[in-house]
This record gives sequence, C-alpha cells and structure tokens, in this order.
Amino acid sequence: SAVISQKPSRDICQRGTSLTIQCQVDSQVTMMFWYRQQPGQSLTLIATANQGSEATYESGFVIDKFPISRPNLTFSTLTVSNMSPEDSSIYLCSVLTAYEQYFGPGTRLTVT
Amino acid sequence: GIQVEQSPPDLILQEGANSTLRCNFSDSVNNLQWFHQNPWGQLINLFYIPSGTKQNGRLSATTVATERYSLLYISSSQTTDSGVYFCAVEKSQGAQKLVFGQGTRLTINP
Repeated sequence: SAVISQKPSRDICQRGTSLTIQCQVDSQVTMMFWYRQQPGQSLTLIATANQGSEATYESGFVIDKFPISRPNLTFSTLTVSNMSPEDSSIYLCSVLTAYEQYFGPGTRLTVT
Repeated sequence: GIQVEQSPPDLILQEGANSTLRCNFSDSVNNLQWFHQNPWGQLINLFYIPSGTKQNGRLSATTVATERYSLLYISSSQTTDSGVYFCAVEKSQGAQKLVFGQGTRLTINP
C-alpha cells in the first residue's frame, strides 16, 4: 500500500487566482496521477505526472491551465491556474503500486 | 476509450440488508478495483480484482473477465457502509490509468 498526503486539504479562492496543491507519498513510486472530481460526479484523470519529464495530459486538459511538477519519486504538485467557479472540485493525487492505485485524501477547492 | 457502467445509480436500504452492486466494462482489462468514497471524500480501496472472487469480512467481489462484469456484495449492511462505491478499470495493453464508472450511491438507514 501507500500513504499519501495532500496540502491544502481545502481552500476557498477568488476567480482569476492560482492554487498549487502538493502531494507527498511515503515511498518512491514511478507512476503518479492527478484526478478531478466535480460536485456529484465521478473521477476524471487530468494527467500522469512523469518524473523528470513533462506530464502527460488527458483530452480536455492542458498544461497552461493545470501545470504539474514531479521533481522526484515521492512528490508532485498540481497548479490550478486562472481559476473560475467551474474549477470548484475535489482534486486527488494517486499513485500506482505493484498492482493497485491508492488515493490521497483530496483537496476540496471552492472558487468564488 | 473503455466504457464503465455501474448499476444501480442509487440504492437505499435498511441496516442489516444485503446488496449487490454491478460494474460492466466494454473491453478486456488488466486491472479492476472497487473503492468506497466515504462522506468526507476519502477513497478507500476495497478490492483489486481483475478476475476471480475475493472476500474481506462482510464484503466480497467477483469479476468474470470473459463476460466483462464485476459484482460487489455487501452483507448485513451497517450505516457506516453509506457512501459512493466506484468501480475503476485499466484497459489491457493500454496506458496504466484507471477509468472510473459513475458510481453507486448507497444509503443505509438505521
């Protein structure tokens, strides 16, 4: 298994600003992912955070809006840029161990 | 891409009842996981079950990979079982990423 922490756990932000979310894992992992869960919806993959190279984004998500860093095998950040109320969601970090994916507690973002 | 459908979307039961949640998927998979999202939003791993049957206490799961479905059984439900149950799959011979179903919202009333 893996123990994952995220900071902040929640935030309320003004539209037009940016927020950086941090994800820390208790062991080295190759694969890290960022997901978004809009209110009342399922989880959608934003991108795969690759160590030492640019993240791989899913259709509908772009680097300018969701820049991701992965400086080492235990840490990643996701920035939500130029926020609008539509960005209000839970953002979750996830890691792949031998077989399973495990999820962090999430960051609950509200944009006003 | 691969499609994941869960049923029923909502389920309301009395404490002590049993339930069966279903997950259908449209392609062969390397990975299938069941999660429980509690009221605080935390996703809890229940089963890694790309095929076969597993049991953990009151919960069990079966995946019939050849027929592309998985079932999650909850027996003797408790109020703490309330929340949303997600099935997620990773397509065979694809990128290592999970595609989630829309979830089943389970409410257990005392």
